[in-house]
Amino acid sequence: EAGVVQSPRYKIIEKKQPVAFWCNPISGHNTLYWYRQNLGQGPELLIRYENEEAVDDSQLPKDRFSAERLKGVDSTLKIQPAELGDSAVYLCASSLGLAETQYFGPGTRLLVL
Amino acid sequence: AQKITQTQPGMFVQEKEAVTLDCTYDTSDPSYGLFWYKQPSSGEMIFLIYQGSYDQQNATEGRYSLNFQKARKSANLVISASQLGDSAMYFCAMREGLTNQGGKLIFGQGTELSVKP
Repeated sequence: EAGVVQSPRYKIIEKKQPVAFWCNPISGHNTLYWYRQNLGQGPELLIRYENEEAVDDSQLPKDRFSAERLKGVDSTLKIQPAELGDSAVYLCASSLGLAETQYFGPGTRLLVL
Repeated sequence: AQKITQTQPGMFVQEKEAVTLDCTYDTSDPSYGLFWYKQPSSGEMIFLIYQGSYDQQNATEGRYSLNFQKARKSANLVISASQLGDSAMYFCAMREGLTNQGGKLIFGQGTELSVKP
């Protein structure tokens, strides 16, 4: 069974540029999460989806970050415009449901110059 | 206040020996779950083991076991017979009960384990 797929794996951009990350969860997983992991820290939740609905986006900086999960499968996370402090690893995870184990993708390493 | 505390930034262990990675947690919710993940240098978070707050027995998965001491609010990971491939960052995480915050994992700062040949 394929795991969580993310692309790109690495991205280098200049500040003020837009950037987008893509995630394909494990087949059949209704719940999808985006986490941000700063250097030397554990991941922190940005947003959680139950099918197409964003049910917890309290930690998402809505002035510059947006996310969508069309058709309840793939998801994209966008930053516009990017700032230097956005440099981090962006991890996508999925689970069968709210109370199930979360499985993570390989992450996207973003460097903002 | 920190909800998950990992007090060991780095640990060394000799190959084939056992090692314990410490984790303490803080919650007032009677229903919660505790997880350990491994993160090698490639970046992917790999699920290792899970312990539910109502589980009577300590969880085990192959060479991994979780030493769950509920009264002390600790959930230490024990890796037996360490292998070179065990060298990685290890994160302890907690998921509190299924309220509107349910599903969210709260991670500790991590412990970097190095296995010496």
